[in-house]
Amino acid sequence: DIQMTQSPSSVSASVGDRVTITCRASQGISSWLAWYQQKPGKAPKLLIYAASSLQSGVPSRFSGSGSGTDFTLTISSLQPEDFATYYCQQANSFPLGFTFGPGTKVDIK
Amino acid sequence: QLQLQESGPGLVKPSETLSLTCTVSGGSISSSSYYWGWIRQPPGKGLEWIGSIYYSGSTYYNPSLKSRVTISVDTSKNQFSLKLSSVTAADTAVYYCARHNTYMGGQQLAHYYGMDVWGQGTTVTVSS
Repeated sequence: DIQMTQSPSSVSASVGDRVTITCRASQGISSWLAWYQQKPGKAPKLLIYAASSLQSGVPSRFSGSGSGTDFTLTISSLQPEDFATYYCQQANSFPLGFTFGPGTKVDIK
Repeated sequence: QLQLQESGPGLVKPSETLSLTCTVSGGSISSSSYYWGWIRQPPGKGLEWIGSIYYSGSTYYNPSLKSRVTISVDTSKNQFSLKLSSVTAADTAVYYCARHNTYMGGQQLAHYYGMDVWGQGTTVTVSS
């Protein structure tokens, strides 16, 4: 079983701030990591796949990096619409499964 | 534009079987390289992958739920379905269907493009 952890579990930030979220896998997952944004009452939205590839239509202030076990999601300049919960997801073990991280809530400072 | 829509009962009794259907519109469920999955989210908690299916009928399940889960596909109706048996209160959640673009090299993952299209989710409560 590949376990995913995220830090911090929550972060308070202001509009314009740079925000970095870390995701760690319990074993190497190559670059098979995706990031999602979820707002209350809504389905998750894909931001990043393959660790660093920006999904079509996602603003360029979002970026991802990392490989192996350690990954980061960076929001370069936080916008009001970015306040949400962010999840990482490993796909390395597919078809045996996917695992999501526990989430990081970004709220207003 | 591809859209997914979950449907099914919002209330299920303990020990019974939860049944949901995801209808795909704006595209074909039979497109190669696309898999169709179910993900759930208990109230106030994180996301859990339940399982996925390919249009050919090949299925992949979360090992922790495998004994209770059946996912099937009906290409003629452009739908795929979830059945979860012997439900308990712990199965109360918002259930999402989603598409994931995944390339396999034999039995190994060759490339993963993420879960790029999601349904709006449907709340299922397990209660007597």
